Amino acid sequence: QKEVEQDPGPLSVPEGAIVSLNCTYSNSAFQYFMWYRQYSRKGPELLMYTYSSGNKEDGRFTAQVDKSSKYISLFIRDSQPSDSATYLCAMSLNTGNQFYFGTGTSLTVIP
Amino acid sequence: DSGVTQTPKHLITATGQRVTLRCSPRSGDLSVYWYQQSLDQGLQFLIHYYNGEERAKGNILERFSAQQFPDLHSELNLSSLELGDSALYFCASSVAGAWTGELFFGEGSRLTVL
Repeated sequence: QKEVEQDPGPLSVPEGAIVSLNCTYSNSAFQYFMWYRQYSRKGPELLMYTYSSGNKEDGRFTAQVDKSSKYISLFIRDSQPSDSATYLCAMSLNTGNQFYFGTGTSLTVIP
Repeated sequence: DSGVTQTPKHLITATGQRVTLRCSPRSGDLSVYWYQQSLDQGLQFLIHYYNGEERAKGNILERFSAQQFPDLHSELNLSSLELGDSALYFCASSVAGAWTGELFFGEGSRLTVL
């Protein structure tokens, strides 16, 4: 079983839609949860970072962590064509430790 | 631009050969991470160096080795290459201070083994 599972999609939505991206994980010791965005032919870049359970909001993006269910989500409101990218979840046991990445979900927002 | 520089951007070689991938981290970053990205496996952690010392090893094959030099640049050496080693290899660096969950990735080195 992989440490982190993520539906690869692809996901295609119309502009303005709410997008929900999800990951599940098996290691209950994970404490740090991140979402990275990767545009084609580019390296991943950090979108959001959350420690332990709870919600975090940044503009149109909301990250949720449910440690009891070992489930994390990223919501994108009012999706834009510029949001078209691959979204990777990542987790870490503690600071400075290796990151465990999901395989990524490919998202296309259609104008 | 993340500030992390990787060379070469593309590399085509034959099975059995050896290649070296180079990474220059962001100015001031002491940590360097190497990741392998393939379509079916996603981003796989290979190895982490901090200020010249190996800190953690992931699923790195024995045919692969890495080092971080005193000027903090890092090299990933891949030898006895196999078709399955074809992938995108990313280097990432992170700040030495307060941890923010952020890795700064280079644009990757795309390796094709024929």
